[in-house]
Amino acid sequence: DAGVTQSPTHLIKTRGQHVTLRCSPISGHKSVSWYQQVLGQGPQFIFQYYEKEERGRGNFPDRFSARQFPNYSSELNVNALLLGDSALYLCASSLGLAGENTGELFFGEGSRLTVL
Amino acid sequence: EDQVTQSPEALRLQEGESSSLNCSYTVSGLRGLFWYRQDPGKGPEFLFTLYSAGEEKEKERLKATLTKKESFLHITAPKPEDSATYLCAVKERSGGFKTIFGAGTRLFVKA
Repeated sequence: DAGVTQSPTHLIKTRGQHVTLRCSPISGHKSVSWYQQVLGQGPQFIFQYYEKEERGRGNFPDRFSARQFPNYSSELNVNALLLGDSALYLCASSLGLAGENTGELFFGEGSRLTVL
Repeated sequence: EDQVTQSPEALRLQEGESSSLNCSYTVSGLRGLFWYRQDPGKGPEFLFTLYSAGEEKEKERLKATLTKKESFLHITAPKPEDSATYLCAVKERSGGFKTIFGAGTRLFVKA
C-alpha cells in the first residue's frame, strides 16, 4: 500500500511569490496535518483537517492556508513568501481525529522549500 | 504554554554502549506521548505511544517509559543503524487537535 505522498519534493521560490504544496494521505485515512520543520528543530504544527474541515491551527500567520478535498487529499498554500519560510514541509495522515485512535501520525517524505 | 523539551540535544555513543534520551513535557491534559525516529531528509517514523504514567513499550533495542512529567527512551546495545534523530511529541487534551513536537535528540552510534 502507498504511504503518504507529497509533491513537489523540492522547490525554489523567490521572496513575495506564492507556493502550493500537495499531499495524498494513506488510503482510508481521513485526517491530514501539516507541519513546518526548520533545520535542526522539531516539526511545528500548522494545520489539521478532518472530513474537509479545519480542526486545529498552529501559531502561523494568515499567509498560510490549507484545504482538504473530498478524496481527503490536501493542499497547503503560502502567500508572500519570506526567507524564513524556507523549511521542510511535512504532511501527516491519521485514521481520525486526535484521540479517536492511537493518535499516531504517518508522515510523508516532505517538500523542501527554499526561498531566495 | 505547552512545551516539550528533549535532552541531550546530541548524543554520541560507541556501538554497544547503552544510554537514555529524556523528554520532559508540560501540557494541560496529556492525551498521549509519542516517540518518532527521523532519518536525514526523511519524514518522522512512528515508534511508540504511551498514555499513562508507569506504561512501558519495547521494540528491538528501544524501550520507552512514561512518568507524570517525563518520558525516557532507553537504547540498549545500540548499533550504527540506530543513528538518527529521535523526536518526542505530546497530544494535548485541550486547545484543539494538535501534536506538539520537541526539538529532538540527534543520536550518533559509532562502530
